[in-house]
Amino acid sequence: KNEVEQSPQNLTAQEGEFITINCSYSVGISALHWLQQHPGGGIVSLFMLSSGKKKHGRLIATINIQEKHSSLHITASHPRDSAVYICAALGVYSGGGADGLTFGKGTHLIIQP
Amino acid sequence: EPEVTQTPSHQVTQMGQEVILRCVPISNHLYFYWYRQILGQKVEFLVSFYNNEISEKSEIFDDQFSVERPDGSNFTLKIRSTKLEDSAMYFCASTGAGALTDTQYFGPGTRLTVL
Repeated sequence: KNEVEQSPQNLTAQEGEFITINCSYSVGISALHWLQQHPGGGIVSLFMLSSGKKKHGRLIATINIQEKHSSLHITASHPRDSAVYICAALGVYSGGGADGLTFGKGTHLIIQP
Repeated sequence: EPEVTQTPSHQVTQMGQEVILRCVPISNHLYFYWYRQILGQKVEFLVSFYNNEISEKSEIFDDQFSVERPDGSNFTLKIRSTKLEDSAMYFCASTGAGALTDTQYFGPGTRLTVL
Protein backbone atom coordinates (compact mmCIF):
# COMPACT_ATOMS: atom_id res chain seq x y z
CA LYS A 1 0.00 0.00 0.00
CA ASN A 2 1.38 3.35 -0.99
CA GLU A 3 1.86 6.04 1.61
CA VAL A 4 1.78 9.57 0.28
CA GLU A 5 3.26 12.28 2.47
CA GLN A 6 3.19 16.01 1.89
CA SER A 7 5.09 18.87 3.43
CA PRO A 8 4.53 21.36 4.77
CA GLN A 9 1.03 20.80 6.11
CA ASN A 10 0.47 24.54 6.38
CA LEU A 11 2.23 27.38 4.58
CA THR A 12 1.66 31.10 4.86
CA ALA A 13 3.57 33.40 2.55
CA GLN A 14 3.54 36.93 1.22
CA GLU A 15 2.29 37.81 -2.23
CA GLY A 16 5.03 37.41 -4.80
CA GLU A 17 6.97 34.73 -2.97
CA PHE A 18 8.13 31.53 -4.64
CA ILE A 19 6.25 28.58 -3.16
CA THR A 20 7.36 24.95 -2.99
CA ILE A 21 5.19 22.07 -1.81
CA ASN A 22 6.73 18.63 -1.52
CA CYS A 23 5.29 15.17 -1.94
CA SER A 24 6.91 11.80 -1.31
CA TYR A 25 5.55 8.33 -1.74
CA SER A 26 6.64 4.97 -0.44
CA VAL A 27 6.37 2.65 -3.44
CA GLY A 28 6.74 3.04 -7.19
CA ILE A 29 3.96 4.72 -9.10
CA SER A 30 2.61 5.01 -12.64
CA ALA A 31 1.69 8.66 -12.33
CA LEU A 32 1.33 11.44 -9.83
CA HIS A 33 -1.42 14.02 -9.76
CA TRP A 34 -1.39 17.49 -8.26
CA LEU A 35 -4.82 18.78 -7.33
CA GLN A 36 -6.16 22.03 -5.92
CA GLN A 37 -9.04 22.12 -3.44
CA HIS A 38 -10.78 25.40 -2.69
CA PRO A 39 -12.54 26.27 0.58
CA GLY A 40 -15.91 25.25 -0.88
CA GLY A 41 -14.53 21.75 -1.32
CA GLY A 42 -14.28 21.50 -5.10
CA ILE A 43 -11.25 19.69 -6.51
CA VAL A 44 -9.47 20.77 -9.66
CA SER A 45 -6.78 18.76 -11.37
CA LEU A 46 -3.60 20.77 -11.97
CA PHE A 47 -1.11 18.26 -13.34
CA MET A 48 -0.61 14.62 -14.03
CA LEU A 49 2.97 13.56 -14.54
CA SER A 50 4.98 10.38 -14.66
CA SER A 51 8.43 11.85 -15.33
CA GLY A 52 10.29 15.11 -15.64
CA LYS A 53 8.58 18.43 -15.39
CA LYS A 54 5.39 20.18 -16.46
CA LYS A 55 4.56 23.88 -16.48
CA HIS A 56 1.25 25.67 -16.69
CA GLY A 57 1.27 29.40 -16.23
CA ARG A 58 2.86 30.14 -12.86
CA LEU A 59 2.69 26.52 -11.74
CA ILE A 60 5.49 24.02 -12.21
CA ALA A 61 5.44 20.37 -11.20
CA THR A 62 8.46 18.10 -11.11
CA ILE A 63 8.91 14.47 -10.28
CA ASN A 64 11.94 12.32 -9.49
CA ILE A 65 10.92 8.71 -9.94
CA GLN A 66 14.13 7.29 -8.45
CA GLU A 67 13.77 9.36 -5.28
CA LYS A 68 9.98 8.89 -5.14
CA HIS A 69 9.50 12.61 -4.77
CA SER A 70 7.55 15.35 -6.49
CA SER A 71 7.35 19.09 -5.99
CA LEU A 72 4.82 21.72 -6.92
CA HIS A 73 6.14 25.25 -7.35
CA ILE A 74 4.21 28.47 -7.63
CA THR A 75 6.04 31.50 -8.97
CA ALA A 76 4.95 35.06 -8.20
CA SER A 77 2.33 33.81 -5.76
CA HIS A 78 -0.96 35.68 -5.48
CA PRO A 79 -3.73 35.65 -2.85
CA ARG A 80 -5.98 33.81 -5.31
CA ASP A 81 -3.52 30.88 -5.11
CA SER A 82 -4.69 30.31 -1.54
CA ALA A 83 -6.12 26.79 -1.41
CA VAL A 84 -5.27 23.27 -0.32
CA TYR A 85 -2.85 21.54 -2.69
CA ILE A 86 -3.02 17.78 -2.78
CA CYS A 87 -0.78 15.21 -4.38
CA ALA A 88 -2.21 11.84 -5.31
CA ALA A 89 -0.41 8.75 -6.57
CA LEU A 90 -1.42 6.03 -8.99
CA GLY A 91 0.34 2.77 -8.17
CA VAL A 92 2.44 0.67 -10.51
CA TYR A 93 0.77 -2.59 -9.61
CA SER A 94 -2.76 -1.41 -10.13
CA GLY A 95 -5.05 -3.44 -12.30
CA GLY A 96 -5.38 -1.07 -15.22
CA GLY A 97 -6.72 2.22 -16.38
CA ALA A 98 -9.58 2.54 -13.94
CA ASP A 99 -7.55 2.60 -10.77
CA GLY A 100 -8.16 5.03 -8.00
CA LEU A 101 -5.67 7.44 -6.53
CA THR A 102 -3.96 7.43 -3.14
CA PHE A 103 -4.07 10.94 -1.72
CA GLY A 104 -1.82 12.93 0.55
CA LYS A 105 -3.31 14.98 3.35
CA GLY A 106 -2.81 18.23 1.50
CA THR A 107 -0.91 21.45 2.07
CA HIS A 108 -2.98 24.40 3.20
CA LEU A 109 -1.50 27.46 1.47
CA ILE A 110 -2.35 31.03 2.39
CA ILE A 111 -0.92 33.90 0.37
CA GLN A 112 -1.21 37.22 2.15
CA PRO A 113 -1.39 40.48 0.16
CA GLU B 1 -16.15 23.48 -20.98
CA PRO B 2 -17.56 20.05 -20.07
CA GLU B 3 -17.81 19.32 -16.39
CA VAL B 4 -18.81 16.60 -13.96
CA THR B 5 -21.99 17.42 -12.07
CA GLN B 6 -23.30 15.95 -8.83
CA THR B 7 -26.65 16.05 -7.08
CA PRO B 8 -27.66 16.83 -4.48
CA SER B 9 -25.06 19.26 -3.20
CA HIS B 10 -26.05 18.43 0.38
CA GLN B 11 -27.96 15.44 1.70
CA VAL B 12 -29.10 15.02 5.27
CA THR B 13 -30.37 11.62 6.33
CA GLN B 14 -31.13 9.57 9.40
CA MET B 15 -28.90 6.70 10.43
CA GLY B 16 -30.05 3.47 8.82
CA GLN B 17 -31.63 5.13 5.82
CA GLU B 18 -30.62 4.48 2.24
CA VAL B 19 -29.15 7.29 0.19
CA ILE B 20 -28.34 7.58 -3.48
CA LEU B 21 -25.79 10.09 -4.65
CA ARG B 22 -25.91 11.01 -8.30
CA CYS B 23 -23.24 12.03 -10.74
CA VAL B 24 -23.26 12.93 -14.39
CA PRO B 25 -19.76 12.37 -15.77
CA ILE B 26 -18.39 14.14 -18.81
CA SER B 27 -20.26 12.70 -21.75
CA ASN B 28 -17.49 10.94 -23.69
CA HIS B 29 -15.65 9.66 -20.63
CA LEU B 30 -15.32 5.95 -19.99
CA TYR B 31 -13.90 5.58 -16.48
CA PHE B 32 -15.78 6.70 -13.39
CA TYR B 33 -14.76 6.99 -9.77
CA TRP B 34 -16.16 7.73 -6.35
CA TYR B 35 -14.05 9.23 -3.60
CA ARG B 36 -14.94 10.46 -0.16
CA GLN B 37 -13.45 13.00 2.24
CA ILE B 38 -14.36 12.94 5.88
CA LEU B 39 -14.19 16.44 7.36
CA GLY B 40 -10.60 17.37 8.12
CA GLN B 41 -9.17 14.21 6.59
CA LYS B 42 -7.66 13.28 3.26
CA VAL B 43 -9.56 12.19 0.20
CA GLU B 44 -9.99 8.40 -0.04
CA PHE B 45 -10.67 6.21 -3.02
CA LEU B 46 -13.89 4.17 -2.88
CA VAL B 47 -14.48 2.55 -6.24
CA SER B 48 -13.80 2.76 -9.95
CA PHE B 49 -16.13 1.67 -12.73
CA TYR B 50 -15.47 0.81 -16.35
CA ASN B 51 -17.43 -0.98 -19.03
CA ASN B 52 -20.47 -1.30 -16.77
CA GLU B 53 -18.70 -3.05 -13.97
CA ILE B 54 -16.57 -2.31 -10.93
CA SER B 55 -12.91 -2.21 -11.85
CA GLU B 56 -11.39 -1.67 -8.43
CA LYS B 57 -12.66 -0.99 -4.94
CA SER B 58 -11.07 -0.08 -1.65
CA GLU B 59 -11.53 -1.61 1.77
CA ILE B 60 -14.01 1.15 2.55
CA PHE B 61 -16.35 -0.01 -0.21
CA ASP B 62 -18.09 -2.81 1.69
CA ASP B 63 -21.44 -4.50 1.12
CA GLN B 64 -23.28 -1.37 2.21
CA PHE B 65 -22.10 0.42 -0.91
CA SER B 66 -23.06 -0.15 -4.52
CA VAL B 67 -22.59 1.70 -7.77
CA GLU B 68 -24.60 1.72 -10.91
CA ARG B 69 -24.74 3.36 -14.30
CA PRO B 70 -28.49 3.05 -14.90
CA ASP B 71 -28.48 4.88 -18.22
CA GLY B 72 -25.99 6.47 -20.57
CA SER B 73 -25.39 9.53 -18.46
CA ASN B 74 -25.83 8.94 -14.73
CA PHE B 75 -23.44 7.23 -12.34
CA THR B 76 -24.79 6.57 -8.86
CA LEU B 77 -23.44 5.61 -5.46
CA LYS B 78 -25.89 3.94 -3.10
CA ILE B 79 -25.37 3.49 0.60
CA ARG B 80 -27.91 0.96 1.82
CA SER B 81 -28.00 1.63 5.54
CA THR B 82 -26.15 4.77 6.46
CA LYS B 83 -23.98 5.01 9.56
CA LEU B 84 -22.81 8.11 11.39
CA GLU B 85 -19.31 7.52 10.06
CA ASP B 86 -20.57 7.75 6.47
CA SER B 87 -20.87 11.52 6.96
CA ALA B 88 -18.43 12.97 4.46
CA MET B 89 -18.06 14.82 1.19
CA TYR B 90 -18.44 12.41 -1.71
CA PHE B 91 -16.74 13.24 -4.98
CA CYS B 92 -17.40 11.71 -8.34
CA ALA B 93 -14.71 11.84 -11.01
CA SER B 94 -14.37 10.71 -14.59
CA THR B 95 -11.66 10.34 -17.17
CA GLY B 96 -11.64 9.61 -20.84
CA ALA B 97 -8.68 7.35 -21.35
CA GLY B 98 -8.12 5.85 -17.93
CA ALA B 99 -6.18 6.97 -14.90
CA LEU B 100 -2.91 5.79 -16.41
CA THR B 101 -2.92 8.29 -19.22
CA ASP B 102 -5.49 10.97 -18.49
CA THR B 103 -6.29 13.41 -15.76
CA GLN B 104 -9.37 12.88 -13.64
CA TYR B 105 -12.11 15.51 -13.65
CA PHE B 106 -13.87 15.93 -10.33
CA GLY B 107 -17.42 16.95 -9.60
CA PRO B 108 -18.22 19.58 -6.97
CA GLY B 109 -19.11 16.96 -4.38
CA THR B 110 -22.12 15.95 -2.32
CA ARG B 111 -21.93 16.65 1.39
CA LEU B 112 -23.64 13.77 3.20
CA THR B 113 -24.67 14.31 6.80
CA VAL B 114 -25.94 11.29 8.73
CA LEU B 115 -27.79 12.10 11.94
